[in-house]
Amino acid sequence: DSGVTQTPKHLITATGQRVTLRCSPRSGDLSVYWYQQSLDQGLQFLIQYYNGEERAKGNILERFSAQQFPDLHSELNLSSLELGDSALYFCASSASGEGYNEQFFGPGTRLTVL
Amino acid sequence: KNEVEQSPQNLTAQEGEFITINCSYSVGISALHWLQQHPGGGIVSLFMLSSGKKKHGRLIATINIQEKHSSLHITASHPRDSAVYICAAMEYGNKLVFGAGTILRVKS
Repeated sequence: DSGVTQTPKHLITATGQRVTLRCSPRSGDLSVYWYQQSLDQGLQFLIQYYNGEERAKGNILERFSAQQFPDLHSELNLSSLELGDSALYFCASSASGEGYNEQFFGPGTRLTVL
Repeated sequence: KNEVEQSPQNLTAQEGEFITINCSYSVGISALHWLQQHPGGGIVSLFMLSSGKKKHGRLIATINIQEKHSSLHITASHPRDSAVYICAAMEYGNKLVFGAGTILRVKS
């Protein structure tokens, strides 16, 4: 158990809908990262938050947004869902956003868009 | 060309064999992660290293920064080692760039 929690574990929804994925980092970790793992693209970095502020952005679509709250949990919002958004979404946390810090991964949320 | 290349893509071994998975990267990095992903989907961090060598049980990871190359070795492999092994280059600022993964199957 990495100490990172994600909810829900599974999510099935329809095209055009909007969903919210939630992540709670390990106790004391200030940075949260979101990743997408799809069959055709593999694992890709989406976005990083550090202590409530956006720190780095990767291949995140405009239909997706994220935020990190004062209690350090983070939410990834996916809207106008398309079939191609079906994937595993992982969050990870690390102690800080500076230097290099080991990242610890949550169990993932499996999103299926029908 | 992908920024992080892994080889082989697939690997089948007999129980007890010594296994090596290789990772080459072209980006500038602060460190490199080796990750393990089991069929259930969860990802476990095995190692993070920025130089030299690290060992944990039967797993050994090495990195050569000058050659931009890392290897993951498994000694005395066991069927429970069957998983996908992913190397991820940590760019400055902690962004991870992932390899495509190596699917390992260890037969008893």
